[in-house]
Amino acid sequence: DAGVTQSPTHLIKTRGQHVTLRCSPISGHKSVSWYQQVLGQGPQFIFQYYEKEERGRGNFPDRFSARQFPNYSSELNVNALLLGDSALYLCASSLTGAHNYGYTFGSGTRLTVV
Amino acid sequence: GESVGLHLPTLSVQEGDNSIINCAYSNSASDYFIWYKQESGKGPQFIIDIRSNMDKRQGQRVTVLLNKTVKHLSLQIAATQPGDSAVYFCAENGRGSTLGRLYFGRGTQLTVWP
Repeated sequence: DAGVTQSPTHLIKTRGQHVTLRCSPISGHKSVSWYQQVLGQGPQFIFQYYEKEERGRGNFPDRFSARQFPNYSSELNVNALLLGDSALYLCASSLTGAHNYGYTFGSGTRLTVV
Repeated sequence: GESVGLHLPTLSVQEGDNSIINCAYSNSASDYFIWYKQESGKGPQFIIDIRSNMDKRQGQRVTVLLNKTVKHLSLQIAATQPGDSAVYFCAENGRGSTLGRLYFGRGTQLTVWP
């Protein structure tokens, strides 16, 4: 059974560009959350989606947006990239997202902004 | 808002010794805590969790202790092995409007020497 899959694994972008990161949850999981992990720090919550609806948003600017599709996969979009957006972007899936147990993380997308 | 912190950024132990990783949290209303292990190039991997109605929980070679009085939890790893080398994070759940979000500490780098 496949775990949480994220694509691409690595990405290099130039300042001002736009990026789309993708996540496929574990089969049967309906909730997807996105986290940003800057080097040397713990992951920080960006978004949570459940049944295609945004359930929560962290303290990130409007340049960050996301959506969840009918098959429960998700995209994270970041516009007008800044150097400070360089980080590991993690996706986590869970059955419902209503409880905090049962979250499984993917291996992340390493984004480098130059 | 919630915040989770760690006492030590690095910990070095010899193979076979026991390891203790500490974590402090600030939100006395937090009722669920998780320890994650993150190896280089991978996403966080669930190790063990504990709810606030418990003081101690044991897994395979790992034990989590929760002291609500001083808002402190620890992860004990018995007979530490080289494969335990990784960054360890404690995380606490969000409550109310932030339910479904995990708040991570900065992490402790555990290095196991042969």
